[in-house]
Amino acid sequence: EVQLLESGGGLVQPGGSLRLSCAASEFTYTNYAMTWVRQAPGKGLEWVSTISGSGGSTYYADSVKGRFTISRDNSKNTLYLQMNSLRAEDTAVYYCAKGGRVRGVVDYYYYGMDVWGQGTTVTVSS
Amino acid sequence: EIVLTQSPATLSLSPGERATLSCRASQSVSTYLAWYQQKPGQAPRLLIYDASNRATGIPARFSGSGSGTDFTLTISSLEPEDFAVYYCQQRSNWPLLTFGGGTKVEIK
Repeated sequence: EVQLLESGGGLVQPGGSLRLSCAASEFTYTNYAMTWVRQAPGKGLEWVSTISGSGGSTYYADSVKGRFTISRDNSKNTLYLQMNSLRAEDTAVYYCAKGGRVRGVVDYYYYGMDVWGQGTTVTVSS
Repeated sequence: EIVLTQSPATLSLSPGERATLSCRASQSVSTYLAWYQQKPGQAPRLLIYDASNRATGIPARFSGSGSGTDFTLTISSLEPEDFAVYYCQQRSNWPLLTFGGGTKVEIK
């Protein structure tokens, strides 16, 4: 069974830093893009960042661009999110998710996320 | 940015009833729309992708339809475990994804 296990959440002061990790198992990790999605307390889902399977391409929501860095270590099947200059509005549950893809006419394409971790909670407060 | 608007915000129904959830996009997303279910304290679960394709293991009572800007998720006969929040998500400019605000299906 495909599994994703996040860790690294906690309480941090505004302006501080935190690094989240997501350990993946039971699938060929390098073949899939990986994504971070967050959910503020009582709110909906917000896409944060995506990284390609090779790690060569990264994408960010405007709300975190320049402050967050997504990366992956394919030798360890692990995804990371380095979060700097944290703000109160970054308080949320952070989910890592595996890119869901299907084979198109020419190549695979991604439609969203087909497997999600259980989430890790980040609280930014003084 | 493509904005997804879900309606209604809350749907109050009884087990066995049919649920019809709507998702409207601010511009065409073709059929590049997915639906997720989220229960309290749990991660989202993929239900439907590309507007009408059920994900692996999803019961046949869940169906999706639509294209362009208007989409529908239908639950043909609500089971007790279906009471949850449902989100739509578009991928027309992958990987810059956007989600709708959610529809809560609650027990009447």
